[in-house]
Amino acid sequence: DVQMTQSPSSVSASVGDRITIACRASQGVNDWLAWYQQKPGRAPKLLIYAASSLQNGVPSRFSGSGYGTDFTLSISSLQPEDSATYYCQQANSFPRTFGQGTKVEIK
Amino acid sequence: QITLKESGPTLVKPTETLTLTCTFSGFSISASGVAVGWIRQPPGKALEWLALIYWDDDKRYSPSLTGRLSITKDTSKNYVVLTMTNMDPVDTATYYCAHLLFDVLTHFDAFDIWGQGTMVTVSS
Repeated sequence: DVQMTQSPSSVSASVGDRITIACRASQGVNDWLAWYQQKPGRAPKLLIYAASSLQNGVPSRFSGSGYGTDFTLSISSLQPEDSATYYCQQANSFPRTFGQGTKVEIK
Repeated sequence: QITLKESGPTLVKPTETLTLTCTFSGFSISASGVAVGWIRQPPGKALEWLALIYWDDDKRYSPSLTGRLSITKDTSKNYVVLTMTNMDPVDTATYYCAHLLFDVLTHFDAFDIWGQGTMVTVSS
């Protein structure tokens, strides 16, 4: 199985800050990587697919980058509604695997 | 508009079999590139991928649950069923079904629409 490791496990930042979440795969996944946002008590929401493609309707302050084993999700100007847990997921091989999540809190 | 909704028991006993149904609308599971998957999330923990069924009836399962999972679809009635045998308290989780679109040209392979989830507790 491809292990997905996210860092940090949690981050606290102020409104307007830029934050970056890292995701590392234990083996190369090309660009078959997605990012999801999950708010408490809600289902996950797709933000990014193919490592850097923004899903329809997702604000442009979200961006993704990376290829192979190292990926990042960035939020350029943090908003109060961005408080959530973020997960990466590889789609290069089976079984599909998720990272352990990064909790983003607003100061 | 694509919607999915999970249904099934909220409480099962250890060793019992869990049967969950994902009823969907707004898409056809027989359309090329379409799949429906199941993902679960124990309370306070991360997401775990369980199974996927594609438009062509290709089925994929989590190896860690091999032998316990079965996924089927009913194309005419628009639902997907997941069965999990020999339930254990560690299987207590919220179970989600989700729509997946696969497009090799755009490298789109992600769960773009999710159901609301259904909480399943395993306890005697």
